[in-house]
Order: sequence, then C-alpha cells, then structure tokens
Amino acid sequence: DTAVSQTPKYLVTQMGNDKSIKCEQNLGHDTMYWYKQDSKKFLKIMFSYNNKELIINETVPNRFSPKSPDKAHLNLHINSLELGDSAVYFCASSPLAGEVGELFFGEGSRLTVL
Amino acid sequence: AQSVTQPDIHITVSEGASLELRCNYSYGATPYLFWYVQSPGQGLQLLLKYFSGDTLVQGIKGFEAEFKRSQSSFNLRKPSVHWSDAAEYFCAYNQAGTALIFGKGTTLSVSS
Repeated sequence: DTAVSQTPKYLVTQMGNDKSIKCEQNLGHDTMYWYKQDSKKFLKIMFSYNNKELIINETVPNRFSPKSPDKAHLNLHINSLELGDSAVYFCASSPLAGEVGELFFGEGSRLTVL
Repeated sequence: AQSVTQPDIHITVSEGASLELRCNYSYGATPYLFWYVQSPGQGLQLLLKYFSGDTLVQGIKGFEAEFKRSQSSFNLRKPSVHWSDAAEYFCAYNQAGTALIFGKGTTLSVSS
C-alpha cells in the first residue's frame, strides 16, 4: 500500500493548457509539500501545507495553485502551462509541522510541455 | 544565505570499493541534516539523518555519515559499494520552520 501516491505519473500536454496533479498520503501526516525537480535534478520547494493551511509558498508563479481538501490530499493545479514548467513534480509528507524532520516522497509526476 | 553544497557532480566507483560522498552546509546554528537517495524513475528515500548526539550516524543499506561541525560537513560513506547503489544522492538540511534545502545531488555510477 503506497504511502504517498501521485497521479498521473506521466503527463504530456501542449503549451497554454491547464493540468492538475493529485497527491494522497495514507501516513496520517499533518504536513504535505510540493517540490519541483528540474532537468538538472535540482529539487526546490514550491509549497507546504500543514493540516490544510498553506505555510510555505516560495516564489512560484500564480499559475500554480495548490489545493488541500483535507490533510491527506494536496493537489497541484497549473494554469496556462509554459515550456519551462516541464519538470518532475514530487509530493511529500511529514509528521511534523514546518519542515523539520524526515520527508516521505511520492514517486513523482513527470510533466512535459510541448 | 543558508546552503548545502555537494562538490562532486558525478562519481564512479568500482563494485566492492569504498565510497564517500561529500556534503558541506553553511549555517551558524546546529542544522538538521539528511541524506536521501533517488533511484532512476523513483522518488526520494531517506538514507539517514542527524539531529543531535552521536556525530556518526548509521542508516539503511549499510550507509553511514559523520557530522563534523568544525568542517561544516556531513559526508556519506559506505565500505563496500554494490551495483544496486547506483543512483542520485542528495544531501539536505533545514532548521525549525524553514524549508528543507537540498544540494544539487551527486550521481553515483558503479562499475563492475
């Protein structure tokens, strides 16, 4: 039973489209995150939610909007996709508020914008 | 600014040989330090972590790391590398209330 699951695993789409990536964790954690991994494998935090409340919002374009319907889910919606959005997006969760402690990662969602 | 540096972009090690991956951090106070591994097409898995106490930390898969405050380092070691260890390795650190900061990663290749 996967602890942190993301769907879809692969997503290919045209510039200008809107797409969503879903994330669910069954670990009972309070905190969830979205990270972006670029083509050089650099990982950067995008958002962090603690019990459905946004606590970290790095300098991410407004086209990216996270939504947390409950503490087990954190979805990422992206509007007006651009070529530079192509990356692997990782969802993660942790039992502790903020970002202290171990993070549990999903397997990633590879987004390709054509 | 807080940062973590992995000086080696790519390392190749013979199977059975020892391994050391370097990690340096820049921050004045005691950081929380982590090593994660990413196998091809997979998410990140925690190998080990250091919060406080004994500066030599044991992790999974036979890995260990040593925290050296004087050198601001947290190097990852393994005495004998297996072909299945080929992966991307990330050092990371944070403090309470801050984002987990990752290094740029080191790609480990294992030759037979």
